[in-house]
Amino acid sequence: AQKVTQAQTEISVVEKEDVTLDCVYETRDTTYYLFWYKQPPSGELVFLIRRNSFDEQNEISGRYSWNFQKSTSSFNFTITASQVVDSAVYFCALSGAGSYQLTFGKGTKLSVIP
Amino acid sequence: EAQVTQNPRYLITVTGKKLTVTCSQNMNHEYMSWYRQDPGLGLRQIYYSMNVEVTDKGDVPEGYKVSRKEKRNFPLILESPSPNQTSLYFCASSYSGAPNYEQYFGPGTRLTVT
Repeated sequence: AQKVTQAQTEISVVEKEDVTLDCVYETRDTTYYLFWYKQPPSGELVFLIRRNSFDEQNEISGRYSWNFQKSTSSFNFTITASQVVDSAVYFCALSGAGSYQLTFGKGTKLSVIP
Repeated sequence: EAQVTQNPRYLITVTGKKLTVTCSQNMNHEYMSWYRQDPGLGLRQIYYSMNVEVTDKGDVPEGYKVSRKEKRNFPLILESPSPNQTSLYFCASSYSGAPNYEQYFGPGTRLTVT
């Protein structure tokens, strides 16, 4: 069975602060894929990033960066210089190589206060 | 425009009255899936379909039915809705059922069963 834990239920930061959203996963698969999705207040789900288990290189996209560490089974997401538009619920998700299912964490609600 | 559409977007119904939520994608995707989102529980998969006429249960299939007669459509059927099926429902599709492909989500259907 696969499992994703997002221990932070809600986080509030002041605009321009950096914030890290934690994601810890469990899987028996040696090959697997990790995802982050954003759900803004409007409700739609937006794909942010995919990372496979054999590529531990960190990734940066503008103000967003992702830190993947197999040793700790974590795939954390950092927003640098947060903005009000970053306010959303963020979901981490996992899919094992032998699975056709995507398992989501419970989400972290991020509020960026102006 | 590439998209996943769902109808209706909002629905209020009564216990026991059969209903169907439609889902359609125009991206020629092989894989489609239904999720429900509940506060504090994140997204949980109801059913998924690898291709036409191929469907399988997700984590919470009880009380739901699906069919995949055409590649583009994947309706969700509630034969006898109950109040515990009040939820936000998302349809999603991806190029393939292989776990490395990201899923594209519809706008969501908010269902209330009284």
